[in-house]
Amino acid sequence: NAGVTQTPKFRILKIGQSMTLQCTQDMNHNYMYWYRQDPGMGLKLIYYSVGAGITDKGEVPNGYNVSRSTTEDFPLRLELAAPSQTSVYFCASSYSSLVYGYTFGSGTRLTVV
Amino acid sequence: DAKTTQPPSMDCAEGRAANLPCNHSTISGNEYVYWYRQIHSQGPQYIIHGLKNNETNEMASLIITEDRKSSTLILPHATLRDTAVYYCIVLNSGYALNFGKGTSLLVTP
Repeated sequence: NAGVTQTPKFRILKIGQSMTLQCTQDMNHNYMYWYRQDPGMGLKLIYYSVGAGITDKGEVPNGYNVSRSTTEDFPLRLELAAPSQTSVYFCASSYSSLVYGYTFGSGTRLTVV
Repeated sequence: DAKTTQPPSMDCAEGRAANLPCNHSTISGNEYVYWYRQIHSQGPQYIIHGLKNNETNEMASLIITEDRKSSTLILPHATLRDTAVYYCIVLNSGYALNFGKGTSLLVTP
């Protein structure tokens, strides 16, 4: 099993550009999440989804959009990139938040210049 | 979810037990205690979780006090590869993980 796969691993964007961070999981997990991690800080939740067609905002959703059309995929869209969005982005999934541990992807390191 | 408090950093000699404390005095009866770790720049890795009873798996042991207001993660024989940031998280079902700053554990030779 591949687990949670994130692409790309690295990306440099110019201010005002847009991009989509891809996240795919092959474990048939219902729950999926996007986190960002700034240098020296813990992870902050951007958006999450409890199933296909259902998404909800986390702690820091501004400047981002998500969609969940399938169980496997949970892309994160950045519109009008800003330097404040320079961060490492992690996608995660879980079957159940209560019983099973979360599985994280290896991250996407994004720099906005 | 209940708030957790962890020391910002700890040291441990290689081969010795690493005991990482966590306070969660406002925990409610149906909230689990989860531990994750993050090795430099990688995605966080699930370690262990528990509700009331002490738990043990191949990675670690989790000791939860009887009043459930605190817990300790034990790495019985720490190695250099255990150097990481360790996060203690209290969680009820249906909510995403809320990570704080965790404890930065340095295992020294």
